[in-house]
Amino acid sequence: QKEVEQNSGPLSVPEGAIASLNCTYSDRVSQSFFWYRQYSGKSPELIMSIYSNGDKEDGRFTAQLNKASQYVSLLIRDSQPSDSATYLCAVNLLNQGGKLIFGQGTELSVKP
Amino acid sequence: KAGVTQTPRYLIKTRGQQVTLSCSPISGHRSVSWYQQTPGQGLQFLFEYFSETQRNKGNFPGRFSGRQFSNSRSEMNVSTLELGDSALYLCASSLAGGVLSYEQYFGPGTRLTVT
Repeated sequence: QKEVEQNSGPLSVPEGAIASLNCTYSDRVSQSFFWYRQYSGKSPELIMSIYSNGDKEDGRFTAQLNKASQYVSLLIRDSQPSDSATYLCAVNLLNQGGKLIFGQGTELSVKP
Repeated sequence: KAGVTQTPRYLIKTRGQQVTLSCSPISGHRSVSWYQQTPGQGLQFLFEYFSETQRNKGNFPGRFSGRQFSNSRSEMNVSTLELGDSALYLCASSLAGGVLSYEQYFGPGTRLTVT
């Protein structure tokens, strides 16, 4: 089992819809979870961090964490074509000295 | 605040050569991590430095090495380059203090091509 897993996509949603991106992780003691957005040819940009169970909202973005199920998700409301990018989930693995391990990323395409 | 800077942005090297990449973290950040990104393998952790000490290391051969200076700037070196080393090399910095220490911010990357 990979340490951090994401659906590779591509995920295609119409403009204005909700995009739902999912991530599972293997380390039960992980405490820090992050979502990065990466446009083609650019470096990853941090968009959300979440540390406790529940939801965290920032503008059109909502991160959801369920530690019991080892699951973290990112919802993008009112999706825009400019949201088209690859979204990377990252988990801080405490059982490996705090390494930040990334999933393979989910490619999101928002169609006008 | 200025972001993470990396130099050079692009490099073309020949097999067998060595290369040194440089990273300057965000002011006040003491941790620097390096990653290799390729289309096939995704973003893979190379190593992390904090206060001039390597704190974590990924599963890369010994040809990949790094160091951190007292001003938190970091360099990574790849010796005896192979074609498979062609990748985007990313540096990320973080505060390295408390829970928020693990919010990492990436530089623009160095695109290395080995021919």
